[in-house]
Amino acid sequence: DQQVKQNSPSLSVQEGRISILNCDYTNSMFDYFLWYKKYPAEGPTFLISISSIKDKNEDGRFTVFLNKSAKHLSLHIVPSQPGDSAVYFCAASASGNTPLVFGKGTRLSVIA
Amino acid sequence: DGGITQSPKYLFRKEGQNVTLSCEQNLNHDAMYWYRQDPGQGLRLIYYSQIVNDFQKGDIAEGYSVSREKKESFPLTVTSAQKNPTAFYLCASSPRRGLGEAFFGQGTRLTVV
Repeated sequence: DQQVKQNSPSLSVQEGRISILNCDYTNSMFDYFLWYKKYPAEGPTFLISISSIKDKNEDGRFTVFLNKSAKHLSLHIVPSQPGDSAVYFCAASASGNTPLVFGKGTRLSVIA
Repeated sequence: DGGITQSPKYLFRKEGQNVTLSCEQNLNHDAMYWYRQDPGQGLRLIYYSQIVNDFQKGDIAEGYSVSREKKESFPLTVTSAQKNPTAFYLCASSPRRGLGEAFFGQGTRLTVV
């Protein structure tokens, strides 16, 4: 059973507009959430994270929102740029000795 | 430069042969992980190690084996028992036991023919 779900396999957005990538989780023990960006044939690179004690974390054009009651988080990219085109993975972990659990990813295409 | 090095980047093997994928890190991280990526499947955990000489099975450990004799190294062996070994394999490490962000290597594409 998938503990981290990214229900949109792909998303297309025009350059300059906002990209919103969504992620849902089922394990209430998760208390740390991360977003990774991945290009083909490369390893994922860390983008931004959020702890369950917060509901928002911002880093430049990237903002992650966490809604604990809904077990939902989202990544906002504003403004979107063609270089943002990649697969984005949502990941979660629980305090203690648990490895990251990943969603299946969302492929973002930013069209110029 | 600090980082995680996976080698080789591309690997071809005949069916029925065991193959070992290398992963080395010089970040002084305690924990190391192996994930597998298949199209549409995301990243699935094969094995992880939180300390030298200790490791745990992940969600899809069948057909794989690992060792952690040194803090810097976490090699993965894909055995002939793995039914569908062709995939993109990713090694990662994190500074604390299972916590915080993981740093990934560039991956190894294994193709079994």
